This record gives sequence, structure tokens and C-alpha cells, in this order.
Amino acid sequence: GAVVSQHPSWVICKSGTSVKIECRSLDFQATTMFWYRQFPKQSLMLMATSNEGSKATYEQGVEKDKFLINHASLTLSTLTVTSAHPEDSSFYICSAPRARGYTFGSGTRLTVV
Amino acid sequence: GQQLNQSPQSMFIQEGEDVSMNCTSSSIFNTWLWYKQDPGEGPVLLIALYKAGELTSNGRLTAQFGITRKDSFLNISASIPSDVGIYFCAGQLVGNNDMRFGAGTRLTVKP
Repeated sequence: GAVVSQHPSWVICKSGTSVKIECRSLDFQATTMFWYRQFPKQSLMLMATSNEGSKATYEQGVEKDKFLINHASLTLSTLTVTSAHPEDSSFYICSAPRARGYTFGSGTRLTVV
Repeated sequence: GQQLNQSPQSMFIQEGEDVSMNCTSSSIFNTWLWYKQDPGEGPVLLIALYKAGELTSNGRLTAQFGITRKDSFLNISASIPSDVGIYFCAGQLVGNNDMRFGAGTRLTVKP
């Protein structure tokens, strides 16, 4: 079935550094990728939508200069958390729409110290 | 933000019992999806519903797309310990491509 490979699965970084998270569609072309953030014991909150070949669209309250999204090809979308701070620590998950349902990556747990 | 109201927030049941959870909204959805998430992992699709009134089963799981297109329920019959996890409903609004999630139902099954 359709698989979205997300890396890294976890990362610890120092405050002020940047972290890149990748999501690759392995056996299909993903023209759209959704990026979610999930805090402990909470639901998934949509951050932004990336579209191959065009600018990402961000949900209200999400800083586009802090969360840089690039959809470089039909199989790769990246989220870069720039100048990370401890409050950015969270579980980040990507998702690609499919013919039936949406396929999720396995998530990236980001811890900023 | 959240546009789906999912309940209950948590459930503690005995192995073998049946479980029911639901999602409601004031908005109309053209797709309802039910996911299960294990700790530290991404959600996994359980059931997808695409038509009002649709009733679909996946093993011990049954879900229905409400007639009004504003609600959906998920039933789990004869629960087992591996059913433990967080269950999310998700809906795709009419005219939108993205998906909105309910707050989740945390299920605990006691052996």
C-alpha cells in the first residue's frame, strides 16, 4: 500500500538551531502534503499544506517564517523548524491524501533543549 | 482549529466489552475517517466513509457516516487488550482538501 516515509523519527536539538523533517512518498506521487503538530495527549492540529510547485498555505497562527515548508518534488516535502525554542518541542506528522483516506508518516518527535 | 466534537474523551473497559465513540460537528463533511494512534507513532487508518448513511465494517470495527453528514460513530465489539490506544475521527469539509481531527478518545482495556 501507499507509504509515507518520515525522517528523522526523533531529534534533540539546542535552542536556536534549525531542524529539517522530511516526508517522502515511496510508491506514489504526493502533489499535496499536510503537516500536523501534536502536543502530548492532544489531537493533531493542522499547521500547513504544501503543494508541489507552489507556496505552502499556513493555518492561522502558524508562523510561516519559522516553519519553512518546501515541496521540492512529487515525492518529497520538508518542514524546517528554524531557530527552534523549547516551546516548539512536539510531535510533527505529515500526511498525504490518497484515493481512499490519507496516509500518515510515522511522525517526528522534536525536543528542543 | 478543531471543528469536530469527539466523545467520550476516554474510556476504561473490561476485555470483551463493546465500545462506542462518536464525532459530531456543526459543519457538513463529505468524508469521515477513523484512525488509531499508538504512542509515538503516526495514525493508522481504520475505516473510511464517503457517503451519507454508509455503514462499513473492518473486522470487529464498525463505523457509520451520519445521514446529516455532520456526525459519525465507531463501534468496537468484543474488545481485546491490543485495542488500547487513541482513536481519532477525522473529517474532510465540503470544498476543502485538508482533514480536521477530533480531540481523540483514549481507550484502555483491562484484561
